[in-house]
Amino acid sequence: ETGVTQTPRHLVMGMTNKKSLKCEQHLGHNAMYWYKQSAKKPLELMFVYNFKEQTENNSVPSRFSPECPNSSHLFLHLHTLQPEDSALYLCASSQDRAGATDTQYFGPGTRLTVL
Amino acid sequence: GQQVMQIPQYQHVQEGEDFTTYCNSSTTLSNIQWYKQRPGGHPVFLIQLVKSGEVKKQKRLTFQFGEAKKNSSLHITATQTTDVGTYFCAGPNAGGTSYGKLTFGQGTILTVHP
Repeated sequence: ETGVTQTPRHLVMGMTNKKSLKCEQHLGHNAMYWYKQSAKKPLELMFVYNFKEQTENNSVPSRFSPECPNSSHLFLHLHTLQPEDSALYLCASSQDRAGATDTQYFGPGTRLTVL
Repeated sequence: GQQVMQIPQYQHVQEGEDFTTYCNSSTTLSNIQWYKQRPGGHPVFLIQLVKSGEVKKQKRLTFQFGEAKKNSSLHITATQTTDVGTYFCAGPNAGGTSYGKLTFGQGTILTVHP
């Protein structure tokens, strides 16, 4: 499946580093999402973008900064992270038709380790 | 806020045994979706149920949506080692800025012993 791609697939960073996660969708979708998946926890929705506009920020700490330059690309900028931020970060997209709950297509994720 | 609960959290079965996971929502859902995440993989959409009491089948998988549209189940008949993974249900949030977005259950991790 190559509809939603994410880079890098693995990332190890120190607490003082600045890094960015990239997501790209090739499905012509209008909505994109960032999720955090930690061990033994449900998928946590972080940010939602519809037509490049952020429509959801689930009380995410400011050390996570999303950017959506167009409907196909989504970034997650990381700075001064904590070890507890280590997790799998999943990007997803959906068509986001009005009045419908569309299927979400997930990317392979970035496995992040914060030392 | 809306909560989606799944039980059990873990299920270990012998190959050939059946498996069921249950999903319960604190609110009535317009629809429910099921996803599967293989170990080391990412969630992949399986199915969406929309109608009250709806039952859908995909080979050995049977999905059911409750009459009150607040619960759902996934049943696998005669499990195989390829069924291992985490099964998530997800329901849309209703109202407010979260309209149309999904709330995921915590998932059921299925292990199949050969």
